[in-house]
Amino acid sequence: QSVLTQSPSASGTPGQKVTISCSGRSSNIGTNNVNWYQQLPGTAPKLLIYNNDQRPSGVPDRFSGSKSGTSASLAISGLQSEDETDYYCAAWDDSLHGVVFGGGTKLTVL
Amino acid sequence: QVQLQESGPGLVQPSQTLSLTCAVSGGSISSGGYFWSWIRQLPGKGLEWIGYIYYSGSTYYNPSLKSRFTMSVDTSNNQFSLKLNSVTAADTAVYYCARDRHSSGYSEYYFDYWGQGTLVTVSS
Repeated sequence: QSVLTQSPSASGTPGQKVTISCSGRSSNIGTNNVNWYQQLPGTAPKLLIYNNDQRPSGVPDRFSGSKSGTSASLAISGLQSEDETDYYCAAWDDSLHGVVFGGGTKLTVL
Repeated sequence: QVQLQESGPGLVQPSQTLSLTCAVSGGSISSGGYFWSWIRQLPGKGLEWIGYIYYSGSTYYNPSLKSRFTMSVDTSNNQFSLKLNSVTAADTAVYYCARDRHSSGYSEYYFDYWGQGTLVTVSS
């Protein structure tokens, strides 16, 4: 059971906007910044969004992040077939004194 | 461009010690400002942060994990290592090393570069 809660799956059609959510507690998302990682099959996770809403260089602006209270969201606009993969949220947890991850959301592009 | 590469045995026998090394290229571990973490991905997807090490040798381990992990750094070879003793089947996972960026109070904490990962299977 992951500390951060993500829906196991999400889906959308090409060109659509989809949102993936991540729910936590005051000790993690409520207090600290949230990061999102994209993991293509058979590869390492890749930093997609850091500090809630910042994109690393090279990440398309189709990807955006936001945080409100104890929840965070990753939005993907202009959905493309290459976006079909797994997405994870993560944050520091002040109670557990460590980095915690969500269980991951598998995005399907229909 | 920073690159990380894990190396180690793919198969470890139960109760033995697992040893992994992460070689860093494209930047010096000793330059400071960054930390170096180990993360593992258990079968069925779950990601689990193990801890980090600084070039000085200072370490921090995830308190949620049993204290069987030991990290070390070798600045002369620009690499850092992970040892896990008394392994069991539950330690079977893909182990990743990553460059770790965090603030002093940990409110900002993320991994910006990852190694490709190495699968470790614990089995007799």
